[in-house]
Amino acid sequence: NAGVTQTPKFRILKIGQSMTLQCTQDMNHNYMYWYRQDPGMGLKLIYYSVGAGITDKGEVPNGYNVSRSTTEDFPLRLELAAPSQTSVYFCASSPDRGNGYTFGSGTRLTVV
Amino acid sequence: GQNIDQPTEMTATEGAIVQINCTYQTSGFNGLFWYQQHAGEAPTFLSYNVLDGLEEKGRFSSFLSRSKGYSYLLLKELQMKDSASYLCAVRDRYNNNDMRFGAGTRLTVKP
Repeated sequence: NAGVTQTPKFRILKIGQSMTLQCTQDMNHNYMYWYRQDPGMGLKLIYYSVGAGITDKGEVPNGYNVSRSTTEDFPLRLELAAPSQTSVYFCASSPDRGNGYTFGSGTRLTVV
Repeated sequence: GQNIDQPTEMTATEGAIVQINCTYQTSGFNGLFWYQQHAGEAPTFLSYNVLDGLEEKGRFSSFLSRSKGYSYLLLKELQMKDSASYLCAVRDRYNNNDMRFGAGTRLTVKP
C-alpha cells in the first residue's frame, strides 16, 4: 500500500516554463487536496477535489490548474511559472471530510 | 476568515512533558486536527478533536475547548525523535469544510 505518491521530488523551473506535479493515491479516497508550504507559513490550500470530475478552488488558486479524471490521480498544473511559486507542494487525500489527511512526500519547486 | 495562532518555537528536555497551545477564530468550527512534521518530510496525522475534552493516544494527548477557541497538544516522556514541527489545523463548515493550518510550532528536544 503506497498511500499518496508525488512526483517529482525536486524541480527547478525557469520563469515562464510550465510543468505538472503528479499525485496518485491507492487508498480509494474520494477527497484530494493540493497545498503549498512556504517557510514560516502554514500550509495553504490551492485546489481540492471531492471526487472524480469535481474540483474547486482553495485559498490560493491563482497560477494553478487541476483536473480529476480518475479517483486515483490529481495532477497540479503550473502554466507560466513565477518566482512566487517557489515552494514545497504537498498533495493529500482523505476518505471523507471527517478524517485526518494522508500526505504525499512533497515536491520542492524552485522557479528562477 | 480564520486565524490560527500557535507559538513559533519551543524547547524541552528529553523525558519531560511539553504543552503546545493553539488558539483559533472561526465562524463554523467543525473539528481541530494536530499533525507532526519532521524537517523535510510530509505532515502526519496525530489527533482529532471535535467535542470538548481530552483525547489520549499513548504519549500524546490533545485537548479542546470550543467556547474558548483553544486547543493544546500534550507530549509526555519526550524523546529525541519528537523534535519536529507540530501543526494545528481547523476545519470550518462555512468554508466548504476546508482545513486551514497554523504556521506550526517547531519543537526541539534536548538531552
